[in-house]
Amino acid sequence: SQELEQSPQSLIVQEGKNLTINCTSSKTLYGLYWYKQKYGEGLIFLMMLQKGGEEKSHEKITAKLDEKKQQSSLHITASQPSHAGIYLCGAYSGYALNFGKGTSLLVTP
Amino acid sequence: DAGITQSPRHKVTETGTPVTLRCHQTENHRYMYWYRQDPGHGLRLIHYSYGVKDTDKGEVSDGYSVSRSKTEDFLLTLESATSSQTSVYFCASRGASSNYGYTFGSGTRLTVV
Repeated sequence: SQELEQSPQSLIVQEGKNLTINCTSSKTLYGLYWYKQKYGEGLIFLMMLQKGGEEKSHEKITAKLDEKKQQSSLHITASQPSHAGIYLCGAYSGYALNFGKGTSLLVTP
Repeated sequence: DAGITQSPRHKVTETGTPVTLRCHQTENHRYMYWYRQDPGHGLRLIHYSYGVKDTDKGEVSDGYSVSRSKTEDFLLTLESATSSQTSVYFCASRGASSNYGYTFGSGTRLTVV
């Protein structure tokens, strides 16, 4: 089965700083989903990447898919307290999404 | 409101008792899923459904059963709850297109004592 490894596991950044979260797959990626989870809540869909080299942005969050490296990165520019939460990557394995264990992000004043 | 709702949001039950968690979606989505989320393990798939009365096992299905008699409802049953089933349970759904990923419920926090 496909395994997704996220790094780092946790991150503490000062407000205004940039940060990057990585998601590496054990198998070829045919599509990669990014979700955000606020503590104690459900997951919110951020974006989906389908093609190698694809890059998508939403507000200050940019995600890229590197098919050759079997990896995706999520970059947040000028972090804000509202960016705090757990970021999870997911990819299809069979009929359902398989998820990484998540990266916990804390943004300090 | 449109979307997906889970009930109950919190539950404490005793070991050995049966427990049913409910997931209700108003999106007319064909596919529905049950996951559990645990520290150190992330989200793991329990069961999923690809249509009414069509279900299949996921990665951690032992001790769980599901039923889907209507498009909008997907029930997860713990036949005889054990302490290892203490977890946060999430339901999700998606339509025919995978472009938008899943819609997730807010979760059910289950404690088995």
